[in-house]
Amino acid sequence: DAKTTQPTSMDCAEGRAANLPCNHSTISGNEYVYWYRQIHSQGPQYIIHGLKNNETNEMASLIITEDRKSSTLILPHATLRDTAVYYCIVRVAYNQGGKLIFGQGTELSVKP
Amino acid sequence: NAGVTQTPKFRVLKTGQSMTLLCAQDMNHEYMYWYRQDPGMGLRLIHYSVGEGTTAKGEVPDGYNVSRLKKQNFLLGLESAAPSQTSVYFCASSYPRGGIQYGYTFGSGTRLTVV
Repeated sequence: DAKTTQPTSMDCAEGRAANLPCNHSTISGNEYVYWYRQIHSQGPQYIIHGLKNNETNEMASLIITEDRKSSTLILPHATLRDTAVYYCIVRVAYNQGGKLIFGQGTELSVKP
Repeated sequence: NAGVTQTPKFRVLKTGQSMTLLCAQDMNHEYMYWYRQDPGMGLRLIHYSVGEGTTAKGEVPDGYNVSRLKKQNFLLGLESAAPSQTSVYFCASSYPRGGIQYGYTFGSGTRLTVV
């Protein structure tokens, strides 16, 4: 299963864009990149996912490099409520169980 | 629509006791998963199921058993609890619908302490 590498922690000023990087150099062609976040000890919350193309939704944007070996999650206007641990995950293909394999995540602190 | 519900939310067990954690989803999802999360770490997959009557091992299956007798329920059992199983347990579900990929819905967790 493909592994991901993320910085342990990052800070961001409130109102500014938060750019969270992730390396997944061993990703396979049919594996998706998912991003989740976890606030305190709550259940992980879905943010966004993608395969090849850049994606955007109401929460964030996902930029995937052309070789798919890395990606960046962008929170366009970070707020204090975005303080959380962010997980970049490579999802195993559904015909192999569709498993989400979590790494250590990035602890994002949004500061006033 | 409740999503994914985990029961109980908290539990304290003595070493050697047994218990069953229940995960119930009302979204007609095919795939269900059990994870554990230890302090300061990411979630680790214990067991998963891709449909009613099927189960498979994840990253850390030792000491746990699971059953999926009904599509909406996924049970995690500890036959003889050990202090190393003190953790927060999360259940998740998902539904692979053709070529469309969906997010996974997680429960709010079960906090288990084994003394």
